Amino acid sequence: ILNVEQSPQSLHVQEGDSTNFTCSFPSSNFYALHWYRWETAKSPEALFVMTLNGDEKKKGRISATLNTKEGYSYLYIKGSQPEDSATYLCASYSGGGADGLTFGKGTHLIIQP
Amino acid sequence: DAGVTQSPTHLIKTRGQQVTLRCSPKSGHDTVSWYQQALGQGPQFIFQYYEEEERQRGNFPDRFSGHQFPNYSSELNVNALLLGDSALYLCASSHVNVGGNTIYFGEGSWLTVV
Repeated sequence: ILNVEQSPQSLHVQEGDSTNFTCSFPSSNFYALHWYRWETAKSPEALFVMTLNGDEKKKGRISATLNTKEGYSYLYIKGSQPEDSATYLCASYSGGGADGLTFGKGTHLIIQP
Repeated sequence: DAGVTQSPTHLIKTRGQQVTLRCSPKSGHDTVSWYQQALGQGPQFIFQYYEEEERQRGNFPDRFSGHQFPNYSSELNVNALLLGDSALYLCASSHVNVGGNTIYFGEGSWLTVV
């Protein structure tokens, strides 16, 4: 994998359901993986920065896992609420750091009441 | 504590003109990066400034230049604007030039080139 890829591109989830989506990134020269939540007309909000293989982080109903050997991260949202509607971006930072953060195109999440 | 602030929020320029975008980092941050987000794409790294010097640069032409001031604020300049430069320009700040630190973003400056 040369680029950061996110799937699915968009997702409709019923309020109260749990959901998850994927971020794939180059595993070579890996340094850190960043997750952001981005609501329309606001700035991207930093959710997690993960560096270690097997890392698992949690913030309220949102959690993330990291597998640096195979180059993927999952973001989980438990009991989705309307305020979770946003675009979720992941970004990889390589050890050389030559290109700053490399972002995926995001997963656009819509929570339906 | 003010976060990352950017100005202007929106602007319209004509092809061939020059534009300057401004960014004030979050208090306590010394590293500023600029990203371009075109429609349907993720943000693309333009360059990063630390200690008033350009430390890293993405795949952008020399028409894109920047500056960091002693108070850590930064400017992004784009010369000879093209229609394809129309995008959201995001400024990000962090403490020290390390990719494992949390990076905070501003709301961005929307540039339309006509």
